Amino acid sequence: QLQLQESGSGLVKPSQTLSLTCAVSGGSISSGGYSWSWIRQPPGKGLEWIGYIYHSGSTYYNPSLKSRVTISVDRSKNQFSLKLSSVTAADTAVYYCARVSYTKNDAFDIWGQGTMVTVSS
Amino acid sequence: AIQLTQSPSSLSASVGDRVTITCRASQGISSALAWYQQKPGKAPKLLIYDASSLESGVPSRFSGSGSGTDFTLTISSLQPEDFATYYCQQFNNYPPMYTFGQGTKLEIK
Repeated sequence: QLQLQESGSGLVKPSQTLSLTCAVSGGSISSGGYSWSWIRQPPGKGLEWIGYIYHSGSTYYNPSLKSRVTISVDRSKNQFSLKLSSVTAADTAVYYCARVSYTKNDAFDIWGQGTMVTVSS
Repeated sequence: AIQLTQSPSSLSASVGDRVTITCRASQGISSALAWYQQKPGKAPKLLIYDASSLESGVPSRFSGSGSGTDFTLTISSLQPEDFATYYCQQFNNYPPMYTFGQGTKLEIK
């Protein structure tokens, strides 16, 4: 059973860069038919898609975050990563990594447990 | 960008009730709509994809329907473990973009 696990700094200072990694276990990140995504949820609020990376390495980002986001993949470690620059308090959220399934019409079928990131000095 | 509007935003119901949640898209999205359940402190869980396909392992009391702009999630007979927040989600190809509804919180009456 494929599993995703987020890791990274839980506290980031304003104006710095948030960095998170999602480790994929129980399957290969290079498998066709899937892409790999980041989604966030501010405390008490709804879900916001951040971006995704195809198994080929192509990336697409939410236009509202595009200028600050980079998603990359490390196939040797079977993981993908998120960097969000110039963070502010508005970026405080639970960050989830998730798998997108093309056979399920681009639904997020597997999620990590989420990791809380707080932006504060 | 396509927007998704869920109604109601919150709902009180009793165990055994039949409940329907609606998701309306700002423009047609064919059947590319999914539904998720989220419990406090947990990641969302996929319930329905492609508007009406039940994800493996999800109880058959959950069903989805709709196409175009109007979609519904129905729980035929509420169970205690169904009290949670539900989100709809769509994917648009041009440009590639995922959007979630604002959520519907289902509470015990």
